[in-house]
Amino acid sequence: DTAVSQTPKYLVTQMGNDKSIKCEQNLGHDTMYWYKQDSKKFLKIMFSYNNKELIINETVPNRFSPKSPDKAHLNLHINSLELGDSAVYFCASSYAGAANEKLFFGSGTQLSVL
Amino acid sequence: GNSVTQMEGPVTLSEEAFLTINCTYTATGYPSLFWYVQYPGEGLQLLLKATKADDKGSNKGFEATYRKETTSFHLEKGSVQVSDSAVYFCAQGGTSYGKLTFGQGTILTVHP
Repeated sequence: DTAVSQTPKYLVTQMGNDKSIKCEQNLGHDTMYWYKQDSKKFLKIMFSYNNKELIINETVPNRFSPKSPDKAHLNLHINSLELGDSAVYFCASSYAGAANEKLFFGSGTQLSVL
Repeated sequence: GNSVTQMEGPVTLSEEAFLTINCTYTATGYPSLFWYVQYPGEGLQLLLKATKADDKGSNKGFEATYRKETTSFHLEKGSVQVSDSAVYFCAQGGTSYGKLTFGQGTILTVHP
């Protein structure tokens, strides 16, 4: 069983479109994250939710809206896609207060905006 | 603010060579330190960690020692294999909710 699964794995779309990426974890964790990895492999946190509550909201355009219907799911909706949004987006999960805990990552969604 | 700096890549080695990837950090206090590895087409996975000064993390032949005096957490392996080819990320733990600060990643390629 996949611990952190995200769909789709690849997403190719036109500028201006709206798209969503879904993430689910079956580890019983109460905290979930979205990270963005650019073409140079640099990884930056975007959002974090703990028990469906937004905890971390880094400087991200408000075209990006995370939604957590329950603590096992964290989806990412992106409005009005731009060329610069092309990247690999990773979902991750852990236990709360996890400064010492490891994060479990999904296999990523490669978003290409044309 | 907190930051993590890794040695510039890419790094290319022959099989059985010795590997060092440097990592230094800046932080207030003493954060936990991690090395994550990303194999091609996959997400990151934890390779090893250390939670306090002088701790040594180890896994799959890789080692790293938490050095408070030099604020470093260098990754080493005595004899690399082709299967070690991946991107390696150094990271430090945040104050809460697992907010890790990652280094920029180092691409390692091992040739037979």
